[in-house]
Amino acid sequence: KQEVTQIPAALSVPEGENLVLNCSFTDSAIYNLQWFRQDPGKGLTSLLLIQSSQREQTSGRLNASLDKSSGRSTLYIAASQPGDSATYLCAVEYGNKLVFGAGTILRVKS
Amino acid sequence: DGGITQSPKYLFRKEGQNVTLSCEQNLNHDAMYWYRQDPGQGLRLIYYSQIVNDFQKGDIAEGYSVSREKKESFPLTVTSAQKNPTAFYLCASSFTGYTGELFFGEGSRLTVL
Repeated sequence: KQEVTQIPAALSVPEGENLVLNCSFTDSAIYNLQWFRQDPGKGLTSLLLIQSSQREQTSGRLNASLDKSSGRSTLYIAASQPGDSATYLCAVEYGNKLVFGAGTILRVKS
Repeated sequence: DGGITQSPKYLFRKEGQNVTLSCEQNLNHDAMYWYRQDPGQGLRLIYYSQIVNDFQKGDIAEGYSVSREKKESFPLTVTSAQKNPTAFYLCASSFTGYTGELFFGEGSRLTVL
């Protein structure tokens, strides 16, 4: 069964800290992996998409890495800000379907 | 501005009623999707459509129905057969299939009274 797990479920950090969010998947035969941000009561916003042939993608203070062999992806957020507070979800594409993790709720304290 | 518009944002339904959630996109995307989100769970796929006049069931299609008469529109009907319809519903679209970036609407929260 194709499953996606995100750890931790919730994370609280002081402003300015660098942090890492984890995503693991059971089936390594992926097409791509996406990281999304979701604010409370809102839809999802795509942050980064990593193709299966890529190792990482960067956008501003965000860096996502992908290690297919170990079934893991990490989202690194540098110099965190209170505005980064949100739920972060990863989703793995398996060709004909997208499997989502339950998300990590991030709170950045000022 | 291009994007996906979902309406209504909040909807209340009495037991036994059917309700329809609207999803419109002006991104010229071929593929559209409906997901359900429950607290503490990942998004689960209800229905998807790769092309006009064609759609497929997702993982939790029972109690739901859709239509795709126009490229821009993909309405979702939550029928009385859906036993636990209270949830947050998200519509999404992509250029084609899943290979590529997925764009989401702002969501519709359905509550059964």
